[in-house]
Amino acid sequence: GEDVEQSLFLSVREGDSSVINCTYTDSSSTYLYWYKQEPGAGLQLLTYIFSNMDMKQDQRLTVLLNKKDKHLSLRIADTQTGDSAIYFCAESLYNQGGKLIFGQGTELSVKP
Amino acid sequence: DTEVTQTPKHLVMGMTNKKSLKCEQHMGHRAMYWYKQKAKKPPELMFVYSYEKLSINESVPSRFSPECPNSSLLNLHLHALQPEDSALYLCASSQGVGGAGNQPQHFGDGTRLSIL
Repeated sequence: GEDVEQSLFLSVREGDSSVINCTYTDSSSTYLYWYKQEPGAGLQLLTYIFSNMDMKQDQRLTVLLNKKDKHLSLRIADTQTGDSAIYFCAESLYNQGGKLIFGQGTELSVKP
Repeated sequence: DTEVTQTPKHLVMGMTNKKSLKCEQHMGHRAMYWYKQKAKKPPELMFVYSYEKLSINESVPSRFSPECPNSSLLNLHLHALQPEDSALYLCASSQGVGGAGNQPQHFGDGTRLSIL
């Protein structure tokens, strides 16, 4: 069945790089997404990658996709306290009518 | 600022009340979604509208009734809710829903609903 897994917590120091990992099981993924959710807010689309790509870079964010291992990662360079939030990985599947399969979310804590 | 606008931001209602949540987008998107989210959990899909027609209902209780008056608006009508329905209700929109062309979903900031 469809399943997306993430570790629940990550703590880093300000200025360090953060790497948030995600694994998924369904090989019919079309797009894979990273969303950020700050307390009291909705989900902010950070970046996404099409399943036939292996890397995408956008300013401080780098997404790596290993399709063979079904592993997705999000690297945040020069992590700031404003990056503290919950990060959700999600996949959309071919012909599933727009349904997203979300991971449980990784709570990133950035210490000064 | 989010391009998907939800009102109200907060709502407190009794179990016998009737209220509605509203969602609006002006990105020309043809798919709109309702999600329910509990604290520190991922969103759970409730309904999907595609071209103003209900395409997915994830076995949601009938006390939640969605409505899509036009391609920019999505409502969620609430009646006789239970305390366990207290949650953050998120609306999202995307260009479309079909095939390999699934497009990113853009979320609003949600309505925080409390049932007394």
